[in-house]
Amino acid sequence: NSKVIQTPRYLVKGQGQKAKMRCIPEKGHPVVFWYQQNKNNEFKFLINFQNQEVLQQIDMTEKRFSAECPSNSPCSLEIQSSEAGDSALYLCASSLGAQDTQYFGPGTRLLVL
Amino acid sequence: GDSVTQTKGPVTLSEGTSLTVNCSYETKQYPTLFWYVQYPGEGPQLLFKVPKANEKGSNRGFEATYDKGTTSFHLQKASVQESDSAVYYCVLGLQGGRALIFGTGTTVSVSP
Repeated sequence: NSKVIQTPRYLVKGQGQKAKMRCIPEKGHPVVFWYQQNKNNEFKFLINFQNQEVLQQIDMTEKRFSAECPSNSPCSLEIQSSEAGDSALYLCASSLGAQDTQYFGPGTRLLVL
Repeated sequence: GDSVTQTKGPVTLSEGTSLTVNCSYETKQYPTLFWYVQYPGEGPQLLFKVPKANEKGSNRGFEATYDKGTTSFHLQKASVQESDSAVYYCVLGLQGGRALIFGTGTTVSVSP
């Protein structure tokens, strides 16, 4: 069973509000991925890190989305100004290496009213 | 481009019957193939992975063979249980540390 921890499990925000969620990867996993899963079960990759460095990110995350994985602290994903279309399950996954198996946390379900 | 196509659900079965979820993929790379399973309220869990062509993966009675010739990776289980009710995803892992490519998921419901 995965040991990736995500908090909070549920997040409710109004439009325009900030939404922040956190992820603690499995111990010893230096690579962290963030995905967005919509209500149609479609997965969208957002960003990934190796230790504190960004490996890849999509254009969307360069605008309202920001993420970081500081040393000795949980990784975080923040939406600066939430929109209704951001309502989704945000999944964090970690792995031993960038090409290794990814293990997912339970997700943070964001609802933007 | 790189893509995964799988059986469009939902699939409804009775306990003790067999399950097949078809999966085909397209890529010009040499992928690692995965099946993940997602239960309500949880994140996807790894069911098993197969990194090499013509090899089989298996776990908990589920199995799939990586067929490079037909670019397929069909999931099978001979006798399902009610606890197998979940969404199953065929997933492509590519070289270079890129994000996983998920199929659209197949919802499987098993009635007692």
